[in-house]
This record gives sequence, C-alpha cells and structure tokens, in this order.
Amino acid sequence: AQTVTQSQPEMSVQEAETVTLSCTYDTSESNYYLFWYKQPPSRQMILVIRQEAYKQQNATENRFSVNFQKAAKSFSLKISDSQLGDTAMYFCAFMHNTDKLIFGTGTRLQVFP
Amino acid sequence: DVKVTQSSRYLVKRTGEKVFLECVQDMDHENMFWYRQDPGLGLRLIYFSYDVKMKEKGDIPEGYSVSREKKERFSLILESASTNQTSMYLCASGQTSNQPQHFGDGTRLSIL
Repeated sequence: AQTVTQSQPEMSVQEAETVTLSCTYDTSESNYYLFWYKQPPSRQMILVIRQEAYKQQNATENRFSVNFQKAAKSFSLKISDSQLGDTAMYFCAFMHNTDKLIFGTGTRLQVFP
Repeated sequence: DVKVTQSSRYLVKRTGEKVFLECVQDMDHENMFWYRQDPGLGLRLIYFSYDVKMKEKGDIPEGYSVSREKKERFSLILESASTNQTSMYLCASGQTSNQPQHFGDGTRLSIL
C-alpha cells in the first residue's frame, strides 16, 4: 500500500525568506502523480503544484517549486520569497491510477513578518 | 472556476441522530469524494464515487454511507452519529485521468 510521510509537523519562516517542506512516499508503482495542497486558516484546500512521475523536470508555479527525487521517493516543496499569505497547512498527496489521493499528515507553516 | 459547495460550515448534532452532509459541484466532474480531517492524521478517505449511483469504500467507511443520485451531488450519511465522528469533513470532486481534486470549504461537525 502507498504511504505518504511528512516529517515536519510545524515550520516557521520569516517573510521574504525561503522555506522547504519535506515529503517522502512509498510505492511500488512507476507511474503516478504527486501534489502539494495548501489549506489556509479559511479552510478551503487549494492545489499548489502537481508533478507527474514520468517527467524528470521539476514542476514550478511562480514562487513554488518542487524537488522531485524519484529514486529516493522524495517530493519536497520550496517556497521562495515567503509571504504572510503563505501561512497555512500544507499537505503532500500521492495519486496512482485509481484517482484516489493519499495524503500525508500535513505541515503547519507560519510566516512571520 | 470550479465550485464545490458544502451545505454547512458548522453542524452540531446529538449522539444517535442520523446526519446528512451535502456536497454539490458545478463542473460536471465524474468523481466525488468524502474525507475526514483530524489533527495529526491528515485527510482520510471515507467514500468515493466514480459515477451516479456508484460508490466505493475508502479507508475508513465504518459508520458512514453515501448517496449519489445526481452527478453533481454527493451526500455523506452518518446513520447513527457517535462522538468519535466529531471531525472536519471535506468534500472534493475531480475529473478522471489523474487530475487534481477540488475541495469544498469543509463542514466542522460536532457530535454531543
């Protein structure tokens, strides 16, 4: 069975700095999808970034980028130039071809002014 | 923009009551999902549906049932609510082929 591990329950960063959130996963599949979701205090879960396992190039979305290491089964999220609005719970998630998401336990990120 | 609407943000019910949580999506998505979110446990899948009148158990289906009579609507039912079902419930919808899921605002349910 696939599992997703986020080993950092809480992190903090100062505004304008860079922070990296860790995620590892376990699977025997070769083709799958990985996601980072953000859940601000207002609670709606929002997709941050998506990575397809067969693509070697790391996905980027503006200030958000991933470091996808397939052999190591690692999928970290880097947030550059952190903003106060980045304060949220961040969830890493895995999807195989069943369309079901498997989530990690989340990392609470606090951005300080 | 995809809109997933959950009928209540907050709900308080009593032990033994039958509870209905409603979810509606407006993007004609095939798939719909119900999760519960608990601190330190992340999101866990309760039930999901690939099509109208179809449902499949997720990881924690005990004590829950679902209904999908129309494509846009997916209901979660607590047959006889218990205090251990106090939680945040999130509904999501998604198209097939490994596309991202879109989430509602969540319902914080308290069972007294």
